[in-house]
Amino acid sequence: SQQGEEDPQALSIQEGENATMNCSYKTSINNLQWYRQNSGRGLVHLILIRSNEREKHSGRLRVTLDTSKKSSSLLITASRAADTASYFCATYRDNYGQNFVFGPGTRLSVLP
Amino acid sequence: GAVVSQHPSWVICKSGTSVKIECRSLDFQATTMFWYRQFPKQSLMLMATSNEGSKATYEQGVEKDKFLINHASLTLSTLTVTSAHPEDSSFYICSAQLRDYSPNTGELFFGEGSRLTVL
Repeated sequence: SQQGEEDPQALSIQEGENATMNCSYKTSINNLQWYRQNSGRGLVHLILIRSNEREKHSGRLRVTLDTSKKSSSLLITASRAADTASYFCATYRDNYGQNFVFGPGTRLSVLP
Repeated sequence: GAVVSQHPSWVICKSGTSVKIECRSLDFQATTMFWYRQFPKQSLMLMATSNEGSKATYEQGVEKDKFLINHASLTLSTLTVTSAHPEDSSFYICSAQLRDYSPNTGELFFGEGSRLTVL
């Protein structure tokens, strides 16, 4: 089964609203990262949260991590049309065959 | 931040030909580079891990003779799709890991991707 599964798979909101995306994983991790991908482009790193951290902020982004539930959430506040993109969580496990594992992603559409 | 350049950004080729995609870290040394394949509206599928000066490690189900990876220097890795066929058409993305990567602080830096269309 897949490490790092986001939900919802697709999310459509109005500009100004908050967007929340969730990510679940199955094994222990060293850290969890969120990336953004605009259509047809590469991925851009947004934020990294270590396994001993519970919450982290960066601008309009807020990430939480619950290692007991093996889940993370990404909150984008006051969304803008420019936030329209796909968002992926990625888990990192040190000294493991495939260190980085990406989830299926959430496609966010922010309507003006 | 660190920049990874991937070239070409798109390529169209005839069936049976080979295509080379380059991935360069412009302002840092990358001990390890990763090659991914991405289908429309899907996540990234890791194809192989490329380590400078050694053979690439391929994921299960990825043909190493089909997808040749060379990591000749700390700033360049190449992926060659040999004898390409229409089913190889996809979006290929590389990423690089800093030489002094620490699991507690690191991140991956991605190229812009290369869209391959095989006719």
